[in-house]
Amino acid sequence: AQSVTQLDSHVSVSEGTPVLLRCNYSSSYSPSLFWYVQHPNKGLQLLLKYTSAATLVKGINGFEAEFKKSETSFHLTKPSAHMSDAAEYFCVVIRNQAGTALIFGKGTTLSVSS
Amino acid sequence: EPEVTQTPSHQVTQMGQEVILRCVPISNHLYFYWYRQILGQKVEFLVSFYNNEISEKSEIFDDQFSVERPDGSNFTLKIRSTKLEDSAMYFCASRRSGTGGYGYTFGSGTRLTVV
Repeated sequence: AQSVTQLDSHVSVSEGTPVLLRCNYSSSYSPSLFWYVQHPNKGLQLLLKYTSAATLVKGINGFEAEFKKSETSFHLTKPSAHMSDAAEYFCVVIRNQAGTALIFGKGTTLSVSS
Repeated sequence: EPEVTQTPSHQVTQMGQEVILRCVPISNHLYFYWYRQILGQKVEFLVSFYNNEISEKSEIFDDQFSVERPDGSNFTLKIRSTKLEDSAMYFCASRRSGTGGYGYTFGSGTRLTVV
């Protein structure tokens, strides 16, 4: 069965410092993986997606993620945090090859201090 | 930018009552979904809907749940007899087409509180 595990429930950084949000996946086939972000009182927004093309994926707002099959990881990074990055981040995998439903990780809350 | 609209944003209901959560997907989208997030837990898939029928559902989506697209613009989730454990944030989403997990647009959610 497909699954994702987000290794940190809460990450705190200072503005201007790097961000690392960690995600490990489990999949019986080559997975499609995503990162979504949720700002307070807003819907879930797609940050980036991996679908077996380039292993380094660039997303919106300066975020990127690297798919590492050997480590079954798909960590999200950003070189320099901004106050507006404070939000809940979800690592996501497709539920099964035939469908389109998504399986979410538990989420990581990113706090950014000035 | 087109949005998925969910109403109400917050609903409180008595245990045992029926509730209907409403969603207006993006107008040219063809695939519709409901997800829920119990406080402190993961976002969970409930059901997907395409061509006026359920295309996929999870183990959570039992007989107390039903979905409907009554008029070509709304997409509703009905919970027939609510239980305390149905308290959660419910997200509607829509996609235009294709397989794969991208192309989703999510609504802001309806927070359902069962008392």
